[in-house]
Amino acid sequence: EVQLVQSGAEVKKAGESLKISCEASGYNFNAYWIAWVRQMPGKGLEMMGVVFPGDSDTRYSPSFQGQVAISVDKSTRTAYLQWRSLKASDTATYFCAKEGYCSGDSCHSGEFFESWGQGTLVTVSS
Amino acid sequence: EIVMTQSPATLSVSPGERASLSCRASQTINSKLAWYQQKPGQAPRLLIYDKSTRATGLPARFSGSGSGTEFTLTINSLQSEDFAVYYCQQYNNWPFTFGPGTRVEI
Repeated sequence: EVQLVQSGAEVKKAGESLKISCEASGYNFNAYWIAWVRQMPGKGLEMMGVVFPGDSDTRYSPSFQGQVAISVDKSTRTAYLQWRSLKASDTATYFCAKEGYCSGDSCHSGEFFESWGQGTLVTVSS
Repeated sequence: EIVMTQSPATLSVSPGERASLSCRASQTINSKLAWYQQKPGQAPRLLIYDKSTRATGLPARFSGSGSGTEFTLTINSLQSEDFAVYYCQQYNNWPFTFGPGTRVEI
């Protein structure tokens, strides 16, 4: 069974740094893109970027380029989302998600997302 | 960047009725469209991918259709558990983009 388990809620101050995590299990971690998706309070879903654990290839949506850093540690099967200097406007729930879908013992690629983490709420005070 | 729009923003439906949700892309997306359902406090749930393929275990009352830039999610005979927010997502071009969502309410 595919599982994505995210780190817990964070309360930070503007200007602080932060790194949240998404630990994956139940599939070949190296073979499927992982996405990070932002959801601001009461708002919709926004694609931030994706990372391919196999070679750490990373792509960012233009709105998030330079604002966050996405990385991965293959040895711990964990993807990360990092900020150097948080702003109050970064207050949101952040989801990680695995591309494609799995059926039985096999998984298939596709740039849609069947498996999601539970979300990490980040609250930034000014 | 492909802009996704959804209509209506809110759809008021009675249980047992049919709901039709629309999603429009700013350019053709070659049927690379997914639909998600999200309930309060939960992660999104994949419903449909490749415009019309149901995710594993999805009830047959959910169906997707459309072509080019216009797509529809239809929910037949709405059940109480179907009241939620629905998002479409295109994955034809990077950056993948979501629509703003349609809230289906009683």
